[in-house]
Amino acid sequence: GAVVSQHPSRVICKSGTSVKIECRSLDFQATTMFWYRQFPKQSLMLMATSNEGSKATYEQGVEKDKFLINHASLTLSTLTVTSAHPEDSSFYICSARDVAGNEQFFGPGTRLTVL
Amino acid sequence: GQQVMQIPQYQHVQEGEDFTTYCNSSTTLSNIQWYKQRPGGHPVFLIQLVKSGEVKKQKRLTFQFGEAKKNSSLHITATQTTDVGTYFCAGTSLDTGRRALTFGSGTRLQVQP
Repeated sequence: GAVVSQHPSRVICKSGTSVKIECRSLDFQATTMFWYRQFPKQSLMLMATSNEGSKATYEQGVEKDKFLINHASLTLSTLTVTSAHPEDSSFYICSARDVAGNEQFFGPGTRLTVL
Repeated sequence: GQQVMQIPQYQHVQEGEDFTTYCNSSTTLSNIQWYKQRPGGHPVFLIQLVKSGEVKKQKRLTFQFGEAKKNSSLHITATQTTDVGTYFCAGTSLDTGRRALTFGSGTRLQVQP
């Protein structure tokens, strides 16, 4: 099956710093990638839809200036959490949908801890 | 906006017992997908249902899509300890035309050996 990677898998940073998370589709092209956030024992909440070559579409309540998304190629999308605060600590998961179907392939997730 | 609820939130069963989780959407869905997330892991795609009233089986797992395409269920027969995890349904809304998946609240399954 299709593989999506995320890097890093875990990051601990100080409050006020910025963190970049990469999401790559390894064996297929993804015109659309999705970024989710999951707090402990909760469901996945969609943050934004990332389209290759265009601006991301953010969900209501998600600050686009705080969560910068770049989808520069058909295999790479990045999420930058700017000026991270402890309340941004969460599990960030990306997914990618191939051109053919509706199935989404999830990355392994990035656990962010902001001290 | 679209809401997708699942019940129960949590279920603890003895190994060998059956388990069912129910998924209800506030809007009509174009399709429903089911995912399993093991503790500490990421969601793994299980299946997609598209047609009204569709039933699909995967070994001990049976998936149903309601006639109105607003609800779905996942039934596991004779649970095993390997079934432990959280099961999420996720759908794309037919009404809004939104292609992004909305995830259900999830049902966490614990299986006692």
